[in-house]
Amino acid sequence: EVQLVESGGGLVQPGGSLRLSCAASGFTFSSFWMSWVRQAPGKGLEWVANIKQDGSEKYYVDSVKGRFTISRDNAKSSVSLQMNSLRAEDTAVYYCARGGSSWYNVDAFDIWGQGTMVTVSS
Amino acid sequence: EIVLTQSPATLSLSPGERATLSCRASQSVRSYLAWYQQKPGQAPRLLIYDASNRATGIPARFSGSGSGTDFTLTISGLEPEDFAVYYCQQRNNWPLTFGGGTKVEIK
Repeated sequence: EVQLVESGGGLVQPGGSLRLSCAASGFTFSSFWMSWVRQAPGKGLEWVANIKQDGSEKYYVDSVKGRFTISRDNAKSSVSLQMNSLRAEDTAVYYCARGGSSWYNVDAFDIWGQGTMVTVSS
Repeated sequence: EIVLTQSPATLSLSPGERATLSCRASQSVRSYLAWYQQKPGQAPRLLIYDASNRATGIPARFSGSGSGTDFTLTISGLEPEDFAVYYCQQRNNWPLTFGGGTKVEIK
């Protein structure tokens, strides 16, 4: 079964750090773009970051540039999101999503994890 | 940044009726537009990719059309499980962006 399972969410104070992880199974992880998408409580979806199959290209939404870092370990079939300098507006459910196997561009997100909640509050 | 505007914000319909959802892009995204369905407490599910292609396992009552800046998701006859929020998303330019969503609710 194709599956993504996120972990690492929790409560953190403003200015703090958190590392999210996403474990993939059931497919050839190294062949796919991977992404993080978030959803603030009661709000819509916001794409956060993408990483190419070999890690050579990474893209971020402007609001997290310089604070968040996406990375992957193809040997362990996992993708991570290191989040530093967290702000209240980063509070959201964070989803890991699979972004297609094209080498040249990310595709639509066809597989999603169940999400992990991040709350930034004092 | 490409802004995606979805309309209407809420659509009130009865089971069996036809639903027509719109997504308008602030500039051309060619055919690189996807539609997702999200139910409360669940992750989004991919319905349509590249404007008109149904994802694996998606029923034929879901169809997508459009190109450039104007796109439509049509649900030909609403089933009880179709009442949910629907989002469009473009992949033509970075940053990837989502529309604000359309809630399809039971009338």
